[in-house]
Amino acid sequence: DAGVIQSPRHEVTEMGQEVTLRCKPISGHNSLFWYRQTMMRGLELLIYFNNNVPIDDSGMPEDRFSAKMPNASFSTLKIQPSEPRDSAVYFCASSLASQNPQPQHFGDGTRLSIL
Amino acid sequence: SQKIEQNSEALNIQEGKTATLTCNYTNYSPAYLQWYRQDPGRGPVFLLLIRENEKEKRKERLKVTFDTTLKQSLFHITASQPADSATYLCAPANQAGTALIFGKGTTLSVSS
Repeated sequence: DAGVIQSPRHEVTEMGQEVTLRCKPISGHNSLFWYRQTMMRGLELLIYFNNNVPIDDSGMPEDRFSAKMPNASFSTLKIQPSEPRDSAVYFCASSLASQNPQPQHFGDGTRLSIL
Repeated sequence: SQKIEQNSEALNIQEGKTATLTCNYTNYSPAYLQWYRQDPGRGPVFLLLIRENEKEKRKERLKVTFDTTLKQSLFHITASQPADSATYLCAPANQAGTALIFGKGTTLSVSS
């Protein structure tokens, strides 16, 4: 079975450039999560969607960050303009929304470096 | 504010011993708690889930306990192997369908 697919795996760009991270969740999953991981802060939730609708974006650090989920099989996280402090590993995860707690399935992340 | 604490220092043990990792939480009353494993350069992988009304859960060499009075979960790996070396993350949650808040993780190193 295909897991969560993220692209690109690595991104290096200069400060001020627009960055777009992409995620394809597991087919049939209706919850999607974007996380950011750094050594200092660990794994932080940025935003999550249920049935393509953003439910909680309180973790989005600034207006420079935006996320969309135009359909059940695709989501993007965009940073514009990017800054060096945005350098981190960004993970996408999906799960099946249910009355019972479900595990989250993570992609292997995008390692983002802003110079 | 809600706070999740895991052993901040790396845990180094010898092969065959039992590894015990701690997850403490404050200002929080989770209904369940999940444990994940993360290898370098990879995303976290789900291991176990335990509910507040379950004291203990087992899966092969893994055992998780959940003490809501102490506000603590313990994660045990028995007969540890070098392949168990990884970072382990705990994630309590209030209810199903909500986002998880993760601890920073404990890095386990098992030497042969």
